[in-house]
Amino acid sequence: DVKVTQSSRYLVKRTGEKVFLECVQDMDHENMFWYRQDPGLGLRLIYFSYDVKMKEKGDIPEGYSVSREKKERFSLILESASTNQTSMYLCATERGSYNEQFFGPGTRLTVL
Amino acid sequence: DQQVKQNSPSLSVQEGRISILNCDYTNSMFDYFLWYKKYPAEGPTFLISISSIKDKNEDGRFTVFLNKSAKHLSLHIVPSQPGDSAVYFCAAGSPSGGSYIPTFGRGTSLIVHP
Repeated sequence: DVKVTQSSRYLVKRTGEKVFLECVQDMDHENMFWYRQDPGLGLRLIYFSYDVKMKEKGDIPEGYSVSREKKERFSLILESASTNQTSMYLCATERGSYNEQFFGPGTRLTVL
Repeated sequence: DQQVKQNSPSLSVQEGRISILNCDYTNSMFDYFLWYKKYPAEGPTFLISISSIKDKNEDGRFTVFLNKSAKHLSLHIVPSQPGDSAVYFCAAGSPSGGSYIPTFGRGTSLIVHP
């Protein structure tokens, strides 16, 4: 079974802090994604990566950056957290195109 | 503008009956469709998929129907069980520039009453 782990289940940060959300997968999948889920808005894609050191913007990249130094690890960075970034953050991996995505358990981030 | 729409935010069904979850899309280039299920405090899990060359795909109690002319797909759960209570997301995608990025709907919350 594919295992996707996220560094924290719950996180509370203050406005202006730099926040790192880590995602690690153990199945050698090429593709990795970061989403945020908000009530009534579904899953919205922030960034994705098809390879090490490669990154592409999704639908809502503003205020976020990512890092993929190793194939198994994809990090989401909030350079200066704001209250409107309070959300559930979900990491996903995918073996290749036209395949299903495997999601981590999510990180519930609250920015005060 | 939403390219994948799940117009029913919630659905309530009696145990043993059929649950029908609907999804509409606007992009005629979409050629692959997936359904995910999400329980609270967990990440979504893949349920079933269908490619545009088919109009039906079945997996146990779950069947997905695709009507390309209407740009509509539906997920049927028969019979529904209380454990099926979850949020269901429809996703659609097409190849673009060598990549493939699915677009998700906003989800439908299914409640199956015992």
